[in-house]
Formats: sequence, C-alpha cells, structure tokens
Amino acid sequence: AQTVTQSQPEMSVQEAETVTLSCTYDTSESNYYLFWYKQPPSRQMILVIRQEAYKQQNATENRFSVNFQKAAKSFSLKISDSQLGDTAMYFCASSSGGGADGLTFGKGTHLIIQP
Amino acid sequence: GAVVSQHPSRVICKSGTSVKIECRSLDFQATTMFWYRQFPKQSLMLMATSNEGSKATYEQGVEKDKFLINHASLTLSTLTVTSAHPEDSSFYICSADARDRGQSEQFFGPGTRLTVL
Repeated sequence: AQTVTQSQPEMSVQEAETVTLSCTYDTSESNYYLFWYKQPPSRQMILVIRQEAYKQQNATENRFSVNFQKAAKSFSLKISDSQLGDTAMYFCASSSGGGADGLTFGKGTHLIIQP
Repeated sequence: GAVVSQHPSRVICKSGTSVKIECRSLDFQATTMFWYRQFPKQSLMLMATSNEGSKATYEQGVEKDKFLINHASLTLSTLTVTSAHPEDSSFYICSADARDRGQSEQFFGPGTRLTVL
C-alpha cells in the first residue's frame, strides 16, 4: 500500500515569489512514480510534473521543479516566479509499476497567489 | 494532447434510481481506465481500475455491486451507480491510461457531479 502526505492545507504568496509545496510518501514498491497535479476551480486535473523513482535527477518543467529525496521519501514542488494562474489545489500523488497505474493522492494544498 | 471526456458533466437523480456515467478517450485507445471519487474539499480516492474486456478491479471498501463498471471498448468505460442514495453524491472523475500511445501517464476527464436527492 502507498500513502501520500501533504502537511500544508493552504499557502499564500505574492505574485512573482517562489513557493515550495511539501509532500512525503511511503511505499513498499521498488519501482514507483511520483506526480504533482494541479486542480483549478474548473476541477480539471492537470499534470504539472512527474518523477520516476529510479531517476536521481530532479524533474523540471519550466517554472516548476521538484526536490526528490528518495531516502527521506520526500517529493516537494517548487514554483518559481509564481503567477495568478497558479492559484489552485495541488495534489501530490504516487503510483507503482509502469507509472500509469491507479494513483494514490495526498490531501492537497490550496495555493493562493496574491496580486 | 490526449483528451478524455465525461458525460454527463452534472446529474441530479432521485434516491433509489440508477445513474450511468460515461468516460471516453477521444483521440487514443486506452486498455485501462480508472475511476476516482472526490468529496467536497477533499482529495481524489481511487475507486476501481477498469480493463477493456475483463472485470474491473475494485479498491477495498468500494462495493462492486453498487458501482458497476463496464469497459466494453478501448475508448469507453462506464460507471453505473445503482440504487443511488444521498451519500453517493460526489464528484466522479475518470482517467485513461495512455500507455497504448507510448506515454506512461494517465489523462483525466473533466468530472461528473452527481447529486442524489
């Protein structure tokens, strides 16, 4: 079984600032994937970034990057130069196997970007 | 990108009736689809994994006789909530596994809001 923990229910930062969302996980799998999803008010789930556990290099996607600490089972998301459109719920998730198995989600962090 | 649709987007029904929700992968084939449930201000919970041509795999605590899943084709999975009750009111989201198009990720539908009166 996998568990994902997000300890920050809500965060608020000013536009253009950098913000880091925390996530820890637990799994008995040797091969697993980690994800950050964004859910705006429309409730459409949008993949922000994905990390394959066997890759040591931290994934990056434009303004989004992760700090993957495998030994500590930590997977934080850093958003640089935050924009108003980044306001949303952010969910950390994990899956086993090939990376497209059923996802286990954390409780989410509501990120608010203030103008 | 890969597109997944859900129909209907919103449904209101009376207690005791059954409701069917469709999930379609529009521009790719998906051997596997997933159904999630999201209560207000909460996270997504995996309900079941739907495999084309075989029985769905349900997560612990999900009643398979209440939430009937059919994956009759490579582009369509349906979730039927049978004898719905007010506690079944929730946001139901499907996703489709894009491995068949060489992508190790799943794409989500826009969700269906079910309200049971």
